[in-house]
Parts: sequence; C-alpha cells; structure tokens
Amino acid sequence: QVQLVQSGAEVKKPGASVRVSCKASGYIFNSFGVSWVRQAPGQGLEWMGWISPYSGNTNYAQRFQGRVTMTTDTSTSTAYMELRSLRSDDTAVYYCARDMGLVVPGDWFDIWGQGTRVTVSS
Amino acid sequence: SYELTQPPSVSVSPGQTASITCSGDKLAEKLICWYQQKPGQSPVLVIYQDDKRPSGVPERFSGSNSGNTATLSISGSQAVDEADYYCQAWATSTVVFGGGTKLTVL
Repeated sequence: QVQLVQSGAEVKKPGASVRVSCKASGYIFNSFGVSWVRQAPGQGLEWMGWISPYSGNTNYAQRFQGRVTMTTDTSTSTAYMELRSLRSDDTAVYYCARDMGLVVPGDWFDIWGQGTRVTVSS
Repeated sequence: SYELTQPPSVSVSPGQTASITCSGDKLAEKLICWYQQKPGQSPVLVIYQDDKRPSGVPERFSGSNSGNTATLSISGSQAVDEADYYCQAWATSTVVFGGGTKLTVL
C-alpha cells in the first residue's frame, strides 16, 4: 500500500543538526512532491518546505531558509530533511507528507508519515 | 504574511451537524483543504480542493469556500469524529495552516 515510513526518534543538543528520512513505497516516487511539516508539543501544524523528487527543486518556508536542506534519493525512494543549528524550540514531531504538487508545493498532502520526534535538550 | 483563522474549539451533540470555519482575506480565491488529527496520530486529509473527499472519507464530511470563509461540515457527528481539524492553503508563495480547531462531540 501507499505509505511513508520515517526514521526513529532523535535527541540532540542545542547547536547540533538532525537528519530525518522518509521512505516512500507503493507509488512512483518521482510523480509527487514531498513536503515537511512539524508540530511542536501541544501546538498546530507548521510547514517547513517542499521538494520535487523529479526535478530536485525546493521551496523552503522563509523562517527555515538557511537552516534547512531537503534532498531526495530517487534510487531508494527516500526523502531527507536536515535541520541545523538546533534550538530548544525546534523540539517537535516532524512529518513528511506526499504533496500533490510536483512543480510547485502546497496543493494538498494526501499521505503522511508516522512522524519523527526530535527533542533538543542540553 | 497570509493568515488563516479558525475557532479554537467547537462542540456538537452526537447526530448533529458540526461546522468548523476557516477565515482569510479573499479566501474563495484560493483552494482549501482540511485535515483531521487525533491525539498521537498523523494528520489525515478529509477534504481537498475546497469540497472534494478522498476515497475512504465518510460522506458526512463536506466542504465549501465562499468569500472570506471556508467551512468544513460534519453531518451526523459521531464520537469517532472528535479530533483536531486544520485548514490549509497555498498563499503568498507558502503553505499556510490554520491554527486548528478542537472538535468535541458530547
């Protein structure tokens, strides 16, 4: 079946980096975008950015530009999100989602990963 | 920056219709989708392109978008519909989520 499976929970110190993976299966990876969304404890959803596995084009939310990098490995149908210079307020559950937008992001997200909890603490 | 505004909470009696609103400037000019999120779970798409239901989503879920307000309606609300609901749009070159509405069925 169509699914996105994310990597496991991470605990990082302030200033470190984290890399979350998202492996797709059950569909043609290059035919859909991948968006990343995070949710801080008790808070709402926050979009971080998007990547097109077909072109490699990215679109990052302004508040994460310079601190986030999204990539894909089409040979393994896996998307990656790296967030650098972590702060305590980056503590959140990070989700990848299949984005119906292949050329530009944001149409809608029809499949979500199970989420990866990232805790930033000294 | 563009903002989507949702009421923090909505309550509905079982069997009645719940209406959750999402407000934004000239919202009808944008395409809205809605997600349902239950505690400890990933969001689930329930409405896309204002009023379309993905396969597997019950027919009691419907959407509309007019003027400055989009509405998610749940007819014949059930206990299983109790969850947080988020609207989402593409606006000013970014994806925007509403703040979320907690639906209580009691």
